Amino acid sequence: GESVGLHLPTLSVQEGDNSIINCAYSNSASDYFIWYKQESGKGPQFIIDIRSNMDKRQGQRVTVLLNKTVKHLSLQIAATQPGDSAVYFCAESLRDDKIIFGKGTRLHILP
Amino acid sequence: DAGVIQSPRHEVTEMGQEVTLRCKPISGHDYLFWYRQTMMRGLELLIYFNNNVPIDDSGMPEDRFSAKMPNASFSTLKIQPSEPRDSAVYFCASSWGSGFSTDTQYFGPGTRLTVL
Repeated sequence: GESVGLHLPTLSVQEGDNSIINCAYSNSASDYFIWYKQESGKGPQFIIDIRSNMDKRQGQRVTVLLNKTVKHLSLQIAATQPGDSAVYFCAESLRDDKIIFGKGTRLHILP
Repeated sequence: DAGVIQSPRHEVTEMGQEVTLRCKPISGHDYLFWYRQTMMRGLELLIYFNNNVPIDDSGMPEDRFSAKMPNASFSTLKIQPSEPRDSAVYFCASSWGSGFSTDTQYFGPGTRLTVL
């Protein structure tokens, strides 16, 4: 599998509970934000995105919240399932083709 | 569509050898990105192309690294000569650009490179 980091912060959540993964982004001028999920042995997979003119966006079982005042992004996963176990990355972009990835958070699901 | 295809999936080589990583983006995507992922530095953008033209290679660590995109369906990342510190997982991603900012980037499965 890929080297996603032995020292990543880890969030342990009981199966069926809601998960909240937080991210502090670096550039107050960033206008596009994305959450990616990376399972062991795979590349990052897009989950949900949000633009800076919004503060909340919902998908299927996932919600992203953006607080531009404190440069904070969060990913909420409802009714966490074993398949949600992965490393989650937030990423930001500033009117650019490039996106900058955060360090990642490992989500561990407890049975 | 099969998604982004990368080869090889695993590469083990000795220091000083040339390494070539390959990528086939999703058909119709006009942006291609090369990333490197390590425990220490996380996921780093090395270089990206738009319509086969390199746009930003500021993330390429040294002259030992080079990337090409001879056509819309193929790109290579070459390391010559390779060093142990190049050991990492290398990802290729592609997206459809909409001008000001790109659409969702779709990642390949990665190539795990080990340089002994």
